Amino acid sequence: AQTVTQSQPEMSVQEAETVTLSCTYDTSESNYYLFWYKQPPSRQMILVIRQEAYKQQNATENRFSVNFQKAAKSFSLKISDSQLGDTAMYFCAFMGQAGTYKYIFGTGTRLKVLA
Amino acid sequence: KAGVTQTPRYLIKTRGQQVTLSCSPISGHRSVSWYQQTPGQGLQFLFEYFSETQRNKGNFPGRFSGRQFSNSRSEMNVSTLELGDSALYLCASSNGQPGDTEAFFGQGTRLTVV
Repeated sequence: AQTVTQSQPEMSVQEAETVTLSCTYDTSESNYYLFWYKQPPSRQMILVIRQEAYKQQNATENRFSVNFQKAAKSFSLKISDSQLGDTAMYFCAFMGQAGTYKYIFGTGTRLKVLA
Repeated sequence: KAGVTQTPRYLIKTRGQQVTLSCSPISGHRSVSWYQQTPGQGLQFLFEYFSETQRNKGNFPGRFSGRQFSNSRSEMNVSTLELGDSALYLCASSNGQPGDTEAFFGQGTRLTVV
């Protein structure tokens, strides 16, 4: 069975600084998809970034980038130039087969951006 | 384009009762999936519907059921409520096409069982 582990329950970062959230996963599948979702106080889960396991290049979306290490089964999220609006819970998620929408989520990291 | 709409936003029920939650997906989306979020268990997949058929199911007891209508709107039902069913229930909408991976979530229904 697949598992997703986020070992940092809480983190804080100063506005404009850079922060990295960690995520490790376990799977025996060779192709899969990894995601970072953000859940602000409004409770709505918002997709931050997505990585296909067969792509070696790390995904980037504006200030958000990932460090995907397939052999180590590691998928960390780097947030550059942190903004107050980045304050939220961040969930790392795994999907084995596209089209199933069956995410396996980690326990989340609560990120607080300090002014 | 309207987002995913879940109703009601908040609900309080008594142990033993049943409850029905509703989810209207994004226009054109044919897949709806449901998740339960609790402090203890985190986010857990309940089931996914596509074109009125349940395609995938998580590890929840039979008290949890769902359905999808021809307009893609979905409902989930929990019968014989237990205190442990208190949770945020999130619905996600997707286009359901092969190779697609992105789900758009609603703001959830907060269910409290007393």
